[in-house]
Amino acid sequence: GQQVMQIPQYQHVQEGEDFTTYCNSSTTLSNIQWYKQRPGGHPVFLIQLVKSGEVKKQKRLTFQFGEAKKNSSLHITATQTTDVGTYFCAGPGAGGTSYGKLTFGQGTILTVHP
Amino acid sequence: GAVVSQHPSWVICKSGTSVKIECRSLDFQATTMFWYRQFPKQSLMLMATSNEGSKATYEQGVEKDKFLINHASLTLSTLTVTSAHPEDSSFYICSARDLAGTNTGELFFGEGSRLTVL
Repeated sequence: GQQVMQIPQYQHVQEGEDFTTYCNSSTTLSNIQWYKQRPGGHPVFLIQLVKSGEVKKQKRLTFQFGEAKKNSSLHITATQTTDVGTYFCAGPGAGGTSYGKLTFGQGTILTVHP
Repeated sequence: GAVVSQHPSWVICKSGTSVKIECRSLDFQATTMFWYRQFPKQSLMLMATSNEGSKATYEQGVEKDKFLINHASLTLSTLTVTSAHPEDSSFYICSARDLAGTNTGELFFGEGSRLTVL
């Protein structure tokens, strides 16, 4: 079945440093979504990328979707303590997007030291 | 955005008892809801897809008799962990999509239910 691999598993940064997490799929994805889960909380949707080579920005966050639509990245510029949490990428599961099922990557746990 | 509410947030039970977790879509109707399980510092593992008015679809390796799912209305799905054992202790999270909304297919997650079986 489809696998979504995410690296690194952990990332510790000093406040102000940049952070990047990478996501790779074994198959071509129709779209990819990114979620953030704060410690003790539940996942919250950040963004969805659909087009090949797409780049989207949300303030200090930059999301990219690879040309082959098999990889994606999330880059945070100048991290802040509020960025702490686990970042997950997720691709459509069996049945495609319309079915609603998602396969999540392993997640990257980000800690930011003040 | 759409809101999904999950109850209870925390539950502690004795081994051998059953625990019911509720998942409600508060401001939209959800014909399909998804139940995930998450261990500490790990990813979300899909357990089953809850379908309104029909049987749930379970992922490979998930015991359907152990994890009973009922989706009796368009706004409520329940997960019952039957004859719970300590290895069932985990964080259970439900999610749903607002198909009538203007969002791009995102999943809205409940707050999660942390189950501890003694």
